[in-house]
Amino acid sequence: DAGVTQSPTHLIKTRGQQVTLRCSPISGHKSVSWYQQVLGQGPQFIFQYYEKEERGRGNFPDRFSARQFPNYSSELNVNALLLGDSALYLCASSPRGEVNQPQHFGDGTRLSIL
Amino acid sequence: QQQVKQSPQSLIVQKGGIPIINCAYENTAFDYFPWYQQFPGKGPALLIAIRPDVSEKKEGRFTISFNKSAKQFSLHIMDSQPGDSATYFCAASRSGQNFVFGPGTRLSVLP
Repeated sequence: DAGVTQSPTHLIKTRGQQVTLRCSPISGHKSVSWYQQVLGQGPQFIFQYYEKEERGRGNFPDRFSARQFPNYSSELNVNALLLGDSALYLCASSPRGEVNQPQHFGDGTRLSIL
Repeated sequence: QQQVKQSPQSLIVQKGGIPIINCAYENTAFDYFPWYQQFPGKGPALLIAIRPDVSEKKEGRFTISFNKSAKQFSLHIMDSQPGDSATYFCAASRSGQNFVFGPGTRLSVLP
């Protein structure tokens, strides 16, 4: 079975631009979460979606937004990119996003801002 | 209160040794504590997880010890191998939502 897939794997943008990252969860998983991982640090929670509804939001500015589609795939959008947005963006899926349900991560999108 | 503290930052052991990584949390509402292993260029992979109503859980060579009163939990890797060299993250969540990760421990297992 395919795991969590993310695209693109690498992306280079300049300051002020906008970016869209994509995630396809494991088949049958209905909950998707997004994380930002800066080099040398642990992942930081950005959003969680379940059944197309936002279930949780981390401490990130409004420049970050996301949505989940009827097929449970998800997009993360970041506007007005800053140098500090350079990071690995991870997507994780779980069956329903409830307790005892492990999150399975994709290999991420490496975003570099010039 | 949302932080998860993790130590040590890095750890070097000989093959066959038992590295121990410790984590501490403040939020008593956390009810799920997973450990993840991450290799360079890859996403984190779930190793083992525990609920606060259990004091210890073993899966293969990996053991979690949980101390609810101290709000601490630790990962032990038995008979460590060079292939275990990776970065390890503890995490905590409430009802499977809004996971909080520790800063990570870089483990090196020498042959």
